[in-house]
Amino acid sequence: GQQVMQIPQYQHVQEGEDFTTYCNSSTTLSNIQWYKQRPGGHPVFLIQLVKSGEVKKQKRLTFQFGEAKKNSSLHITATQTTDVGTYFCAGASANFGNEKLTFGTGTRLTIIP
Amino acid sequence: NAGVTQTPKFQVLKTGQSMTLQCAQDMNHEYMSWYRQDPGMGLRLIHYSVGAGITDQGEVPNGYNVSRSTTEDFPLRLLSAAPSQTSVYFCASSSYLSGNTIYFGEGSWLTVV
Repeated sequence: GQQVMQIPQYQHVQEGEDFTTYCNSSTTLSNIQWYKQRPGGHPVFLIQLVKSGEVKKQKRLTFQFGEAKKNSSLHITATQTTDVGTYFCAGASANFGNEKLTFGTGTRLTIIP
Repeated sequence: NAGVTQTPKFQVLKTGQSMTLQCAQDMNHEYMSWYRQDPGMGLRLIHYSVGAGITDQGEVPNGYNVSRSTTEDFPLRLLSAAPSQTSVYFCASSSYLSGNTIYFGEGSWLTVV
């Protein structure tokens, strides 16, 4: 079945440093999504990428979808304490929509003030 | 607008007991899914539905049943609880017509002793 690997599992950064998490799927995806989950909370949708090579920005967050639609990255510039949480990618396969997502294992980001 | 509502938020079960986790959404979304989240394993899909009367299995369906008699409700039934089902359960909904943004409920923390 489809697998989505995500690295690193943990990342500790000084406030103001940049942060990047990477996802790699075993199969070609129809789209990839990114979520943020605060400790004790539920996943919150950040963005969906659909097109090959797509790059989207949300303020300090930059999302990329690979040319082969099998990998993706999330980059945060100049991290702030509000960025703390676990970031998940989730892929939708070519045969299914968002009702059947495969999630990566997540990257837990902690910020050192 | 309540979004996705899950009940109960916390539950302790004895091995062998059965129970139902309730999920309701008021956004008229056609897609609904149940995930479980375990430490270090991300979210794994249990069952999903693409509309009323239609359900299918996800990655980890054993020990769980679902039904979708209405668009709004998607209950998850644990038939005979086992300690391995101790987890956090999230219900999610989305719609193609609303841009495929996925909304998660706040989660149900289940402990089986």
